[in-house]
Amino acid sequence: QKEVEQDPGPLSVPEGAIVSLNCTYSNSAFQYFMWYRQYSRKGPELLMYTYSSGNKEDGRFTAQVDKSSKYISLFIRDSQPSDSATYLCAMSGGGDNFGNEKLTFGTGTRLTIIP
Amino acid sequence: EAEVAQSPRYKITEKSQAVAFWCDPISGHATLYWYRQILGQGPELLVQFQDESVVDDSQLPKDRFSAERLKGVDSTLKIQPAELGDSAMYLCASSTGADTQYFGPGTRLTVL
Repeated sequence: QKEVEQDPGPLSVPEGAIVSLNCTYSNSAFQYFMWYRQYSRKGPELLMYTYSSGNKEDGRFTAQVDKSSKYISLFIRDSQPSDSATYLCAMSGGGDNFGNEKLTFGTGTRLTIIP
Repeated sequence: EAEVAQSPRYKITEKSQAVAFWCDPISGHATLYWYRQILGQGPELLVQFQDESVVDDSQLPKDRFSAERLKGVDSTLKIQPAELGDSAMYLCASSTGADTQYFGPGTRLTVL
């Protein structure tokens, strides 16, 4: 069993819809949770990261972490064609120097927003 | 905005040949990572540097892969000899340690 599970999709939704992307994980040591967006043939681009449980909002994007269920989500409101990409969840352990912890990624969900 | 630089962006080689990839992290980032991303999968860590020292290379196939960061700034990842199964995107990322990792555009390797 992989440490991080993510539905690879593909997921297609009409423009303007709310998109929900999810990951589950098995390692209780994970404390930092990140979402990266990756356009075709490009490197991953950091969207958001959160520490421990709770919600974080940034514009049209909301990240949620439920550590009790080992479940994280990314919501995209008012989805746009430019949001079409692969979305990767990633996780790492805690500590002050969390940037020194290796990231464990999900497989990525391929999202297409239909105009 | 500062970015991680990688070159080349694309590389096509024949199996048994040697290939090398270069990464220049964001200025001031002491931690540097090399990841491999196979098509349809998430990136997997190959090697992590803290300044010029290797912190984690447990997933690096050391019989054919090598990595160095001699002056603690830019880094080179080498494969010799390349095999068909090495075809993938090779990603470099960097971090200050107190923040998350920022990725470069990657080098897409095709081994024929």
